[in-house]
Amino acid sequence: QVQLVQSGAEVKKPGASVKVSCKASGYTFTDYGINWVRQAPGQGLEWMGWISAYSGNTSSAQKLQGRVTMTTDTSSSTAYMELRSLRSDDTAVYYCARDLVAVATNWFDPWGQGTLVIVSS
Amino acid sequence: SSELTQDPAVSVALGQTVRITCQGDSLRSYYATWYQQKPGQAPVVVIYDENNRPSGIPDRFSGSSSGNTASLTITGAQAEDEADYYCYSRDNSANHLRVFGGGTKLTVL
Repeated sequence: QVQLVQSGAEVKKPGASVKVSCKASGYTFTDYGINWVRQAPGQGLEWMGWISAYSGNTSSAQKLQGRVTMTTDTSSSTAYMELRSLRSDDTAVYYCARDLVAVATNWFDPWGQGTLVIVSS
Repeated sequence: SSELTQDPAVSVALGQTVRITCQGDSLRSYYATWYQQKPGQAPVVVIYDENNRPSGIPDRFSGSSSGNTASLTITGAQAEDEADYYCYSRDNSANHLRVFGGGTKLTVL
């Protein structure tokens, strides 16, 4: 079955970087993009960015531009999201999700299980 | 960037029908997707491409849209439908960007 499995929880100090992995299985990795979404404690979903697993092209939310880097390793069917200069308000659960596309929309399915990142001194 | 606006909370009596709405300019150009999220779980898509249900999603879930408003309707709400629901769309200002609504907490009474 199609599955995305993410790396484990991280605790980081302010100013540090974190890199979360997302390993795909059950489908041809390069046929789909990967999105990254985060959710702060008790808050809603926030779209962070997207990467094409085929070309490596990316787009990211304006508020995160300059701090987030998304990459893929097609040899291992794994996507990565690195967030730099961490602040306390980056504390959140980070999800990866496969991108499915139609003419006038796209949607995310499936999602990874989520990776908790805690930023604390 | 575009915004999608949802009511923070909605309640429905068991077995009754409830509509959850989402407003935003981007919905005039793009169909909404609806996600259901239960506590401690990753979101799950319940409606995509305006009114399509993935396999495994009950047919009591349906979607519609009119103008700048998308709606998720649950006909005959069940206790297990109690969850947070998020609408989602492409960003009208730049279609390579994406946006989520703030979410609606659905309580089934």
